[in-house]
Amino acid sequence: EPEVTQTPSHQVTQMGQEVILRCVPISNHLYFYWYRQILGQKVEFLVSFYNNEISEKSEIFDDQFSVERPDGSNFTLKIRSTKLEDSAMYFCASSGGPGYGYTFGSGTRLTVV
Amino acid sequence: GNSVTQMEGPVTLSEEAFLTINCTYTATGYPSLFWYVQYPGEGLQLLLKATKADDKGSNKGFEATYRKETTSFHLEKGSVQVSDSAVYFCALIGSSNTGKLIFGQGTTLQVKP
Repeated sequence: EPEVTQTPSHQVTQMGQEVILRCVPISNHLYFYWYRQILGQKVEFLVSFYNNEISEKSEIFDDQFSVERPDGSNFTLKIRSTKLEDSAMYFCASSGGPGYGYTFGSGTRLTVV
Repeated sequence: GNSVTQMEGPVTLSEEAFLTINCTYTATGYPSLFWYVQYPGEGLQLLLKATKADDKGSNKGFEATYRKETTSFHLEKGSVQVSDSAVYFCALIGSSNTGKLIFGQGTTLQVKP
């Protein structure tokens, strides 16, 4: 069964550093997403990406965040200057279209110290 | 805006007990409804879905029926197993074109032998 692959599984970074979280979506999917889950809390939408541009973003997704699909297979989330409150599990997902279920990756646990 | 509300957890049951996890939603139009499951230390897996009123989603003995009149999508299982212990998330995709998933807060299920 096709999978969404995320790397790394766990990243520890110092406050103020830049991090890039990587995702390889399912190859024939066209819609890509990032979500995050702060420990013990609900899963929150960050951003959706379609046709090489952001289609929707939440208020969490401020100027410190960016996404990119640099080579047609990878989908990355960059946090420019990490803060302690960015510590969370970040999930990438892809979908064949709105209204279909997503396939989620297994997540990257980001710890900002 | 769109939102999902789930019953508070944790829910603790004995093996072979009947499970109900309540989920209600607020949305304009006709959302698609989903249940996701998160096993300890893992990512989010789609459990079942329903895309229109009166549809019943089912998988692995779990069922949920899309009830538009009560705006509900309660998850049920007739006989739970220890291996069903996980966090269960109800979610919807609204009528927007971006396919953004909106999650409930999650309900932890603990099944004891």
